[in-house]
Amino acid sequence: GNSVTQMEGPVTLSEEAFLTINCTYTATGYPSLFWYVQYPGEGLQLLLKATKADDKGSNKGFEATYRKETTSFHLEKGSVQVSDSAVYFCALGGLGGSYIPTFGRGTSLIVHP
Amino acid sequence: EPEVTQTPSHQVTQMGQEVILRCVPISNHLYFYWYRQILGQKVEFLVSFYNNEISEKSEIFDDQFSVERPDGSNFTLKIRSTKLEDSAMYFCASRGAGTRNQPQHFGDGTRLSIL
Repeated sequence: GNSVTQMEGPVTLSEEAFLTINCTYTATGYPSLFWYVQYPGEGLQLLLKATKADDKGSNKGFEATYRKETTSFHLEKGSVQVSDSAVYFCALGGLGGSYIPTFGRGTSLIVHP
Repeated sequence: EPEVTQTPSHQVTQMGQEVILRCVPISNHLYFYWYRQILGQKVEFLVSFYNNEISEKSEIFDDQFSVERPDGSNFTLKIRSTKLEDSAMYFCASRGAGTRNQPQHFGDGTRLSIL
């Protein structure tokens, strides 16, 4: 079946450090890929998405490239801020007519000043 | 920007009791969802709802659960005879018309604590 694997957290960084959160997926077919962010006490918000191989999604300084050959969609940011502290979820878009995304377990990011 | 709202933010209930979690989706959205997130674990799909009926449901969504859209604005999740393992965050989401890769918009969740 479809699945998403994310790196274990928490990821702890100093402000202005470079961020990578790894995400790999298993799917039959060609899914869309998403990153969602969950700030403390809030619901999930779509951060960025990519719908086909080699697409790069970007938003708020975050980027992720859909790599079909490595089945990966790693999230990166060149310089993190304290306000980026949140839980980040990689998700695989619905396949085979299903509208239901499959979520990873989430990776907590803590950014210190 | 329109948003999905959920009430209450925190619900505490005795085991065996019934709970109703409420959601007001974005007004022009047509697809509605419930998810749950047990503390420290991944977000799990429960059910999707379209055109006044369930369109998909997961194995978690057994006879203990039901959903309803009683009027034009609310979308509710009812859990009958709650169990300790039902303690989790429950998220409602909605999506507009379009391709199946349209993103879902999530509410802030209801924390359900079963005692």
